[in-house]
Amino acid sequence: NAGVTQTPKFQVLKTGQSMTLQCAQDMNHEYMSWYRQDPGMGLRLIHYSVGAGITDQGEVPNGYNVSRSTTEDFPLRLLSAAPSQTSVYFCASSPPRQGSGRTEAFFGQGTRLTVV
Amino acid sequence: GDSVTQMEGPVTLSEEAFLTINCTYTATGYPSLFWYVQYPGEGLQLLLKATKADDKGSNKGFEATYRKETTSFHLEKGSVQVSDSAVYFCALLSGSARQLTFGSGTQLTVLP
Repeated sequence: NAGVTQTPKFQVLKTGQSMTLQCAQDMNHEYMSWYRQDPGMGLRLIHYSVGAGITDQGEVPNGYNVSRSTTEDFPLRLLSAAPSQTSVYFCASSPPRQGSGRTEAFFGQGTRLTVV
Repeated sequence: GDSVTQMEGPVTLSEEAFLTINCTYTATGYPSLFWYVQYPGEGLQLLLKATKADDKGSNKGFEATYRKETTSFHLEKGSVQVSDSAVYFCALLSGSARQLTFGSGTQLTVLP
């Protein structure tokens, strides 16, 4: 089972460049999200999606765009990279909520991005 | 808003020592609580969870009990191994929210 797949694993960008971080899941999860991980700050939510065609902002959305044209894919776009966006990025997906249960998130292996 | 406060690291222990990583939370209603583990170079994996007060989550020798009266979910293991070296994150999911709120993470290093 592939689970959540992120590409690339590593990337170096120059300030001002744009790029797209890819995320795909094969579990038919409706909910997907992007986090960034910075030392001492845990994981902070960038954007999330509750289903195809529906996206919303998280805690730190500035400088990032997302779209959700299919259930499987949730790419994250950096419009004009800045050194402050140097971080490790994680994509996650969650299955539908069942009753009063709270479901866990499944994470990709991360993309380590450096902006110089 | 929701928040999670974790014991600051790094934590360094000898093999077979007892481990406690403290976690307290602030949330409305009755959140579900999670511990995630991140091994070097990998993504986060769910270690254990508890969905209501007094539940105990357990996995791989780790345990945590959902204490509503103290709003805590401390992680414990009786005898750590070198292979337990990782970063541990406490997290919560509350109300109608679908996104997790994470603590800042605790780096654990176990020495042989």
